[in-house]
Amino acid sequence: AQKITQTQPGMFVQEKEAVTLDCTYDTSDQSYGLFWYKQPSSGEMIFLIYQGSYDEQNATEGRYSLNFQKARKSANLVISASQLGDSAMYFCAMRGVNSGGYQKVTFGTGTKLQVIP
Amino acid sequence: NAGVTQTPKFQVLKTGQSMTLQCAQDMNHNSMYWYRQDPGMGLRLIYYSASEGTTDKGEVPNGYNVSRLNKREFSLRLESAAPSQTSVYFCASSEGRQGGQPQHFGDGTRLSIL
Repeated sequence: AQKITQTQPGMFVQEKEAVTLDCTYDTSDQSYGLFWYKQPSSGEMIFLIYQGSYDEQNATEGRYSLNFQKARKSANLVISASQLGDSAMYFCAMRGVNSGGYQKVTFGTGTKLQVIP
Repeated sequence: NAGVTQTPKFQVLKTGQSMTLQCAQDMNHNSMYWYRQDPGMGLRLIYYSASEGTTDKGEVPNGYNVSRLNKREFSLRLESAAPSQTSVYFCASSEGRQGGQPQHFGDGTRLSIL
């Protein structure tokens, strides 16, 4: 079984500041993947960044980076230079596999980020 | 450039009524998923289909059935709707095999059961 925990229901950050959203996970799989998604108030789910369990370097995508600490089983999302448009719900998710080798994805409960002007 | 298309976008049902939520993807993905999203609970997996011809239960399958009609389409059926099934339902698809391919989501269906 796999589990994702996001302990911050809500966060505030000042515009142009950096913010870290926490995510811890639990799995018995040796190979797994971690995703972050953004859900604005309009409701759609937007893929942000991916980290594979065997990737040696932390993933980065523009202003998003993933602080992956495998021994601590954490995969925190760092947003640099926050913008007003970053205000949204953020979900951490983990990819496991079923017996056929196909993806099965589990989501955390999300963190609501509000960027303050 | 449709991606994942869900219909309908909104629906109101009475307790005991049945309905089917439709989902289609045009990305030739192997795997498709149905989630429900409730306040404070994130997305919970109802059913998924790893590949055409297969379906598996997720975390909260009770009260639902699914059909993987072909590679493109994956429908979710509520046989006898209950107020506890009031939620936002998302369909998603992905290439399926291990790797960094993310899931692609539809825009969701807001379902209210009275």
